[in-house]
Amino acid sequence: DAMVIQNPRYQVTQFGKPVTLSCSQTLNHNVMYWYQQKSSQAPKLLFHYYDKDFNNEADTPDNFQSRRPNTSFCFLDIRSPGLGDAAMYLCATSKFAGATNEKLFFGSGTQLSVL
Amino acid sequence: AQTVTQSQPEMSVQEAETVTLSCTYDTSESDYYLFWYKQPPSRQMILVIRQEAYKQQNATENRFSVNFQKAAKSFSLKISDSQLGDAAMYFCAYRSFFTGNQFYFGTGTSLTVIP
Repeated sequence: DAMVIQNPRYQVTQFGKPVTLSCSQTLNHNVMYWYQQKSSQAPKLLFHYYDKDFNNEADTPDNFQSRRPNTSFCFLDIRSPGLGDAAMYLCATSKFAGATNEKLFFGSGTQLSVL
Repeated sequence: AQTVTQSQPEMSVQEAETVTLSCTYDTSESDYYLFWYKQPPSRQMILVIRQEAYKQQNATENRFSVNFQKAAKSFSLKISDSQLGDAAMYFCAYRSFFTGNQFYFGTGTSLTVIP
């Protein structure tokens, strides 16, 4: 089945140690998103790619970076994780702006712990 | 960024009864999409229902329906014949039709279904 896959499901890193989260999709969607979701809060959009075009949200810290080497894969890099970066990170995809059946498809998320 | 507000952090409903979750949003745009997403304890977000702002008719998906009041910028979700499997966090989301690819989420409503 076509889907959005996030690995790993749980990730533990040390304070200040770089970490990379991965996301892949088999939907061939143009847009890929990274959301940060802290406990009992709304998912917060960090950035998204429209094809190779990177779009950063204004309040996303510089500590967060992203790469999209091809249509199928997108990575979230946290250069120096702090305790406040512990959260669930959700990857999502959508077709493209103005699609008639526009909606987000989510992965299962990666729960990041920072020790 | 658009603002989406869910004023009910928690709601509960008796099994087989009806419950309504509230959502308001702030926008100056005339065309947009609105969504309700469900996030069960397993964490993967799934789409419940969507509404295009240019459609006056309220969307319906089986036991789920919306009350879309465009002038009031209100988008409530009604769940009829509530089932135990409906217990989850429910997020209201907004997406512009023309400008940008971002989906913006409210803070969520935690729904408990009482047997």
